[in-house]
Amino acid sequence: EPEVTQTPSHQVTQMGQEVILRCVPISNHLYFYWYRQILGQKVEFLVSFYNNEISEKSEIFDDQFSVERPDGSNFTLKIRSTKLEDSAMYFCASIPRSGRVYEQYFGPGTRLTVT
Amino acid sequence: QKEVEQNSGPLSVPEGAIASLNCTYSDRGSQSFFWYRQYSGKSPELIMFIYSNGDKEDGRFTAQLNKASQYVSLLIRDSQPSDSATYLCAVNTNTGNQFYFGTGTSLTVIP
Repeated sequence: EPEVTQTPSHQVTQMGQEVILRCVPISNHLYFYWYRQILGQKVEFLVSFYNNEISEKSEIFDDQFSVERPDGSNFTLKIRSTKLEDSAMYFCASIPRSGRVYEQYFGPGTRLTVT
Repeated sequence: QKEVEQNSGPLSVPEGAIASLNCTYSDRGSQSFFWYRQYSGKSPELIMFIYSNGDKEDGRFTAQLNKASQYVSLLIRDSQPSDSATYLCAVNTNTGNQFYFGTGTSLTVIP
């Protein structure tokens, strides 16, 4: 069964450092997402990406964040200068095409700890 | 602001009972509604989705939608200890493909 994969599973970084979180979406999917979940809080949408550009982003997704699809398989989230409040689980997700949101599957997540 | 509200619980039910989980949403433009299950430290897993008013059944799960009242619920029949998890309500609007999630309801099924 196809699945979304994410690496690393856990990333520890110091405040002010740059981090890159990696995701490999399901191979025939076209829309990609990043969500975050601060411990004990709700899952929050960060950004969606289609056709090599951002299609939607939330207020959380400020200039410190960027996304990229550097090749045909990886989808990355970069945080330029991490803050303590960036500590959270980051989930990648994908859907095959617009409107097929019922086929959105989440990756296992990367736990980011900023110290 | 698109809000999705859930009772955080915890909700405890005995094994074999019916668990009832509720969710309200603020955006009348919401088009589709989802229930995810999330075990501690894991990613959300889709259980059910519903688009139309009324009931939708899948095995032990029934989703109920009332768009006039902006209310969606999930019933779990014959609850099992393995159903113990946090249940997330999510809403998708017709303006995009993103989801808005509630904070989740923690369910414990007592053997």
